[in-house]
Amino acid sequence: SQQGEEDPQALSIQEGENATMNCSYKTSINNLQWYRQNSGRGLVHLILIRSNEREKHSGRLRVTLDTSKKSSSLLITASRAADTASYFCASYNNNDMRFGAGTRLTVKP
Amino acid sequence: DTAVSQTPKYLVTQMGNDKSIKCEQNLGHDTMYWYKQDSKKFLKIMFSYNNKELIINETVPNRFSPKSPDKAHLNLHINSLELGDSAVYFCASSSGIETQYFGPGTRLLVL
Repeated sequence: SQQGEEDPQALSIQEGENATMNCSYKTSINNLQWYRQNSGRGLVHLILIRSNEREKHSGRLRVTLDTSKKSSSLLITASRAADTASYFCASYNNNDMRFGAGTRLTVKP
Repeated sequence: DTAVSQTPKYLVTQMGNDKSIKCEQNLGHDTMYWYKQDSKKFLKIMFSYNNKELIINETVPNRFSPKSPDKAHLNLHINSLELGDSAVYFCASSSGIETQYFGPGTRLLVL
């Protein structure tokens, strides 16, 4: 069964704007991860947040985790055209990682 | 050096054929995975192996059989290919509960 659902499914913004993507999951987790996939390529890991963490930063990325609501958000600040890609959240629990359907982000120059 | 590699990159074949996809990782990871990504980009785990032993086997038809000759390799053999098997198949590896490293994908088209 699908675990983890992102919204929106697609997001289009102008360069320089911030992009926020949300993710929900269904069971308890050890950690939640965000991945990026450029068209025609494999997934690349962006950031991991553990179940006992609430917020994490990495460069222009900010991830939050609310385990009571079973949700996470990924914020990309000052977006660039090169950020255009699909972004997936993945919930990890006991050797089992489940991906959401992804958000397709388009950043217009 | 490529961390996780897959061959072939593209595979076009007829219905009913048998084909294999190979995956190798040089990261020293203990766990390897196979995922299927359909045309709607939904990524679904198929198998997970830890130190050559199967630990996850999702509801996948018996026509799909993973084989792990050693912990650096996890191959996927598919018998009697069907149209619905057309997808992109990704191999990945990890050292535990942390990051997974993905291969470039194998684009399978069944005609």
